[in-house]
Amino acid sequence: NAGVTQTPKFQVLKTGQSMTLQCAQDMNHEYMSWYRQDPGMGLRLIHYSVGAGITDQGEVPNGYNVSRSTTEDFPLRLLSAAPSQTSVYFCASRGAGPTYNEQFFGPGTRLTVL
Amino acid sequence: AQTVTQSQPEMSVQEAETVTLSCTYDTSENNYYLFWYKQPPSRQMILVIRQEAYKQQNATENRFSVNFQKAAKSFSLKISDSQLGDTAMYFCAQKAYSGAGSYQLTFGKGTKLSVIP
Repeated sequence: NAGVTQTPKFQVLKTGQSMTLQCAQDMNHEYMSWYRQDPGMGLRLIHYSVGAGITDQGEVPNGYNVSRSTTEDFPLRLLSAAPSQTSVYFCASRGAGPTYNEQFFGPGTRLTVL
Repeated sequence: AQTVTQSQPEMSVQEAETVTLSCTYDTSENNYYLFWYKQPPSRQMILVIRQEAYKQQNATENRFSVNFQKAAKSFSLKISDSQLGDTAMYFCAQKAYSGAGSYQLTFGKGTKLSVIP
């Protein structure tokens, strides 16, 4: 199993450009999520999905879109990048429900918006 | 909404010594899970230890142990015999019901731990 994979690992954008951060998992996990990590802020939830076709907003959703057409993939789209979106982005997945399910993280994408 | 607070932005410890990282949380749920994650310079998030709220016994994983005080909503991490490889950011996290059938993981802001040779 590859676990959770993310591409690209690094990206530089200009203000106003669009891009998609890819995330895939091969563990058949229902739950997938996107976080951003900023210095002194910890990890903040952007969007999450509890299954194919179902997405919802997290703590900091503005400026980001997501979709979940398959169980495996959960891309994050920046429609018009802004410098405030400079951050490290993590995708994560786990089994759903109230019981313990370890959350697995991807390696992260470092995004810089100029 | 759940909140997780780590009051120590940075800490340092001598190699082979013991260090304790603090974490407090706030939730109205009775059943939840608590975690400590380690993030070394490689950026990878690594689960260190977890605790189920309904278990009174403190979790232990080799040199890592927790002091779980449910009434005080405190969940500290103790690292014994600190090693250079323990140098990392440490995040405390809580998983609890957040409504609409969803269970969310809420993170603290992290504690940067440096192990000094």
